[in-house]
Amino acid sequence: AQKITQTQPGMFVQEKEAVTLDCTYDTSDQSYGLFWYKQPSSGEMIFLIYQGSYDEQNATEGRYSLNFQKARKSANLVISASQLGDSAMYFCAMRGGHHNQGGKLIFGQGTELSVKP
Amino acid sequence: GAVVSQHPSWVICKSGTSVKIECRSLDFQATTMFWYRQFPKQSLMLMATSNEGSKATYEQGVEKDKFLINHASLTLSTLTVTSAHPEDSSFYICSARGSSNNQPQHFGDGTRLSIL
Repeated sequence: AQKITQTQPGMFVQEKEAVTLDCTYDTSDQSYGLFWYKQPSSGEMIFLIYQGSYDEQNATEGRYSLNFQKARKSANLVISASQLGDSAMYFCAMRGGHHNQGGKLIFGQGTELSVKP
Repeated sequence: GAVVSQHPSWVICKSGTSVKIECRSLDFQATTMFWYRQFPKQSLMLMATSNEGSKATYEQGVEKDKFLINHASLTLSTLTVTSAHPEDSSFYICSARGSSNNQPQHFGDGTRLSIL
């Protein structure tokens, strides 16, 4: 069975500092994709970054980078130079390969990030 | 980028009412749409996967007769909560993607449903 685990229910970070949000996963698929989404209090899901299981380089998108360690089955999100607007819920998600019919996403429990001024 | 519109944004209604939520892909053909439910401070739980022109596939524990899903066109899917009760109050959010499983999912802004 596929599973995504986020062990940090809440995190605090000082403005302008970097923060790492943890995500581990479990799957028997060889091909899979890992995603990070941001959900502010208004509710919309904002796509941040994607990492494919066969990608050799860690994904980066602006201030977001994904620390992908395949052997450890971890896909941590690093946010550099935190801003007050980064305060939100962050979800890690996985899309499996052929075992996952329809390409559905499985979400972790989420981490609530609070950026302090 | 791809846009998914979800309507209404919020709804308050009396117990026993049926409520319809629409999910539209505005600038791409959504072969597959997904419906999620989210309780406060919790994760998104997939309710069902719908493919255009066919019956939805429901996740275990989700009542098909309670949550009716229709995906009649490549740009529209609807979720109808039938005879809603207070325990159905939640945040419902849809997502849509194109024809390939590898294509990204684009999310609507969600619907906050409150049943009195």
